[in-house]
Amino acid sequence: AQSVSQHNHHVILSEAASLELGCNYSYGGTVNLFWYVQYPGQHLQLLLKYFSGDPLVKGIKGFEAEFIKSKFSFNLRKPSVQWSDTAEYFCAVNAAYGNKLVFGAGTILRVKS
Amino acid sequence: DGGITQSPKYLFRKEGQNVTLSCEQNLNHDAMYWYRQDPGQGLRLIYYSQIVNDFQKGDIAEGYSVSREKKESFPLTVTSAQKNPTAFYLCASSSWRGGMSGANVLTFGAGSRLTVL
Repeated sequence: AQSVSQHNHHVILSEAASLELGCNYSYGGTVNLFWYVQYPGQHLQLLLKYFSGDPLVKGIKGFEAEFIKSKFSFNLRKPSVQWSDTAEYFCAVNAAYGNKLVFGAGTILRVKS
Repeated sequence: DGGITQSPKYLFRKEGQNVTLSCEQNLNHDAMYWYRQDPGQGLRLIYYSQIVNDFQKGDIAEGYSVSREKKESFPLTVTSAQKNPTAFYLCASSSWRGGMSGANVLTFGAGSRLTVL
C-alpha cells in the first residue's frame, strides 16, 4: 500500500525566509505527485503537480517542488515566504493508473510578519 | 460558478444516531470521493466512486456508507457503528477517467464538521 510521510508537522518562519517542506512516499512503481494547500478558512486547493518529464515543477505563488525518484521524495520549496503563505500543506501521491490519492499528515506553516 | 457544495457545514449528533452529509457537484466530474481529516493525520479516504451506481471502500470505510444514484451527488452516511465520528469531512471530485493522462487532480468542497455529543 502507498504511504506518504511529511517530515515536519509544524514549521514557523519569518517573512523572507526560505522554505523547504519534506515529503517521502513509499511505492515502487510510477507515481503522480501533488502538493495541496489549505489556507485558513478556505478550501483545500492544488498547489502543484508532477506527472512526468522535468522533475522540477513550478506551481502557484512562487512554489516549486522537485521529484527525486531515487529518494522517493517530492519536497516543496519557496525561496522567500510571505505572511500570506501561512497555511497547512499536504503532500499526496497516487499510483499511475490508480484512482486513490493518498495524503500525508500535513505540515502547518506559520509565517511571522 | 462550478464547484462542490457540502452541507451542512456544522452538524451535531448524539451517540447512536446516523447522520448523512450531503455532497453535490456541478463540474460534470465522473469521480467523487469522501475523505476524513483529523489533526495530525492528514486526509484519509473513506469511500470513492468512479461512476454512477458504483463505489469502492477506501482505507477507513468501517462505520460509513455511501450511495451514487446521480452523477452530481455522493452523500455519506455516518452510522452509529463508527466509533469515533467526530471529525472534519471533505468531499472531492475529479474528471479523471483512468490511465496516465491527466492524473487525479481533485477539487474539494468546503467540508462538514461533525461533532458527536
